[in-house]
Amino acid sequence: KAGVTQTPRYLIKTRGQQVTLSCSPISGHRSVSWYQQTPGQGLQFLFEYFSETQRNKGNFPGRFSGRQFSNSRSEMNVSTLELGDSALYLCASSATSGGVTDTQYFGPGTRLTVL
Amino acid sequence: GESVGLHLPTLSVQEGDNSIINCAYSNSASDYFIWYKQESGKGPQFIIDIRSNMDKRQGQRVTVLLNKTVKHLSLQIAATQPGDSAVYFCAEINQGGKLIFGQGTELSVKP
Repeated sequence: KAGVTQTPRYLIKTRGQQVTLSCSPISGHRSVSWYQQTPGQGLQFLFEYFSETQRNKGNFPGRFSGRQFSNSRSEMNVSTLELGDSALYLCASSATSGGVTDTQYFGPGTRLTVL
Repeated sequence: GESVGLHLPTLSVQEGDNSIINCAYSNSASDYFIWYKQESGKGPQFIIDIRSNMDKRQGQRVTVLLNKTVKHLSLQIAATQPGDSAVYFCAEINQGGKLIFGQGTELSVKP
């Protein structure tokens, strides 16, 4: 099976702009989670989608949003970009949602740089 | 708040030696823990997991130990190889089903 894919891999934006990142989960996986990774804060949970519904949400401002499509592909959007949004954004998919034994498989991430 | 932390930010070992990476967690209600490995330019890769009703679990060259009394988790890597060089994260599933990651330990293997 193909792994989790994320596009684009690298992105450079300026403050105030908005950005959309895309994630395609492993075939058959219905849950997609998003994480932000920075050197200072480490890996932080953004949100999780399952069957097109947001099931869990982390402590991020409303500028961060996401959605999931009927084919389980997911997008996350960040509006009004700030310098502090520069990070590696990781997407992970799992077969189901909330199950403690559901292993999450990560994509390679999208490196976002805000200038 | 909830947090999962690591004792050491970096660990350097000689090839062939055993490595031990430690992790402390604060939420005593957590019942599932995972170790991930992240190589440069890649996303985290699942290594091994353990439930709170166990105190030890073994995989291929890796062993995870859980001490619930002191809320401590460790990852042991036997016969460490250069390919094991990476950042290792422990993570817990909290009551809300969210995956909470620790800060990470960078393992460097010297040939």
